[in-house]
Amino acid sequence: DGGITQSPKYLFRKEGQNVTLSCEQNLNHDAMYWYRQDPGQGLRLIYYSQIVNDFQKGDIAEGYSVSREKKESFPLTVTSAQKNPTAFYLCASSVLPGQGYLSNQPQHFGDGTRLSIL
Amino acid sequence: AQSVAQPEDQVNVAEGNPLTVKCTYSVSGNPYLFWYVQYPNRGLQFLLKYITGDNLVKGSYGFEAEFNKSQTSFHLKKPSALVSDSALYFCAVRDLGDSGGYQKVTFGTGTKLQVIP
Repeated sequence: DGGITQSPKYLFRKEGQNVTLSCEQNLNHDAMYWYRQDPGQGLRLIYYSQIVNDFQKGDIAEGYSVSREKKESFPLTVTSAQKNPTAFYLCASSVLPGQGYLSNQPQHFGDGTRLSIL
Repeated sequence: AQSVAQPEDQVNVAEGNPLTVKCTYSVSGNPYLFWYVQYPNRGLQFLLKYITGDNLVKGSYGFEAEFNKSQTSFHLKKPSALVSDSALYFCAVRDLGDSGGYQKVTFGTGTKLQVIP
């Protein structure tokens, strides 16, 4: 079955440490996204990528970094500069928005990684 | 700028009764509208979407949504609620009037649906 796999499911970060969240998709989607979910705030976009080796900042990119070396993979690094990293992180993918009749397709989500501070 | 509002943090409904989860939106052009459901510690699952055409959209698990352009609303409905429908529901909008390279999706803050046995 096609889908998005996020790992690990739970992650703990020590003070001053960088941690990396994995996201892999086998849906052959061009676009991938990282969202942060906090209680009562909905989903906020951290980074998105529409093509390999290119990505753009979302609304809350400070303290985060990403890479897109392969179409299937879009890892997110939470750096020590992110002072409040405790949240539920969701990765999503979709066909590239704007591609004709495909542009109205929804995003597909992984099951998330819950990050906490030790 | 586009926005989505879900005015109710929580909706409680008795099992077997009809349910409505409200959503209003604001866009500069024509909207694509979506509803997603999230169960605890899981990702979002797509329920239904409105693109164009019939204002009543049918989706997964017996859910439907009514698009009302004059009221800029896209309320989620189900004729008879199940206990298993208890979850967090998100409305989302994409602005077709945005001619830039990236058509951003904006999510509401979510509404927790509690179906009482």
